[in-house]
Amino acid sequence: GAVVSQHPSRVICKSGTSVKIECRSLDFQATTMFWYRQFPKQSLMLMATSNEGSKATYEQGVEKDKFLINHASLTLSTLTVTSAHPEDSSFYICSAPGQGDLQTQYFGPGTRLLVL
Amino acid sequence: GQNIDQPTEMTATEGAIVQINCTYQTSGFNGLFWYQQHAGEAPTFLSYNVLDGLEEKGRFSSFLSRSKGYSYLLLKELQMKDSASYLCAGMDSNYQLIWGAGTKLIIKP
Repeated sequence: GAVVSQHPSRVICKSGTSVKIECRSLDFQATTMFWYRQFPKQSLMLMATSNEGSKATYEQGVEKDKFLINHASLTLSTLTVTSAHPEDSSFYICSAPGQGDLQTQYFGPGTRLLVL
Repeated sequence: GQNIDQPTEMTATEGAIVQINCTYQTSGFNGLFWYQQHAGEAPTFLSYNVLDGLEEKGRFSSFLSRSKGYSYLLLKELQMKDSASYLCAGMDSNYQLIWGAGTKLIIKP
């Protein structure tokens, strides 16, 4: 089946620094990718929809200047958490719909961010 | 390697009970999640099990056996709105989620 990878899997950074998280579709192309964050034992919260070749669409309440999304190619989307603060510590997950099948999502393994 | 197995599709009748099974192999274990996902929407958290046994939440229950690497999601009194995909995900020792492919549940009247 289709595989989505994320890098890094875990990152610890100091408050005020920026962190970039990559999401790759390994054996299929994805014009759209989704970014989520998850707090412990809670649902995935959709942050934004990443669109190849155009601006990302952000959900209400998500700061677009803080969470920069770049969909550089048909297999790569990046999420940059700028000027990270401890409250940004979370689990970030991306997903990509199957080619030709927008109803099926393939999820990445997640990136655990800890901001000190 | 790490792996999550669950059936691709199941069909059940409105008002009935259905059990969706999930077997997992993870490097270490930090819990088993079940999510419900309606087409075109983000997944919704249903349950989290880290200890053996059955956890009940209304019409939905989730069971875990760590020794068998096995979990199931039990849905009672099925309603048409329960038609969705159900995702099983195991969390490994690095707190990475290993996702199953999802079970598409079709409810018939």
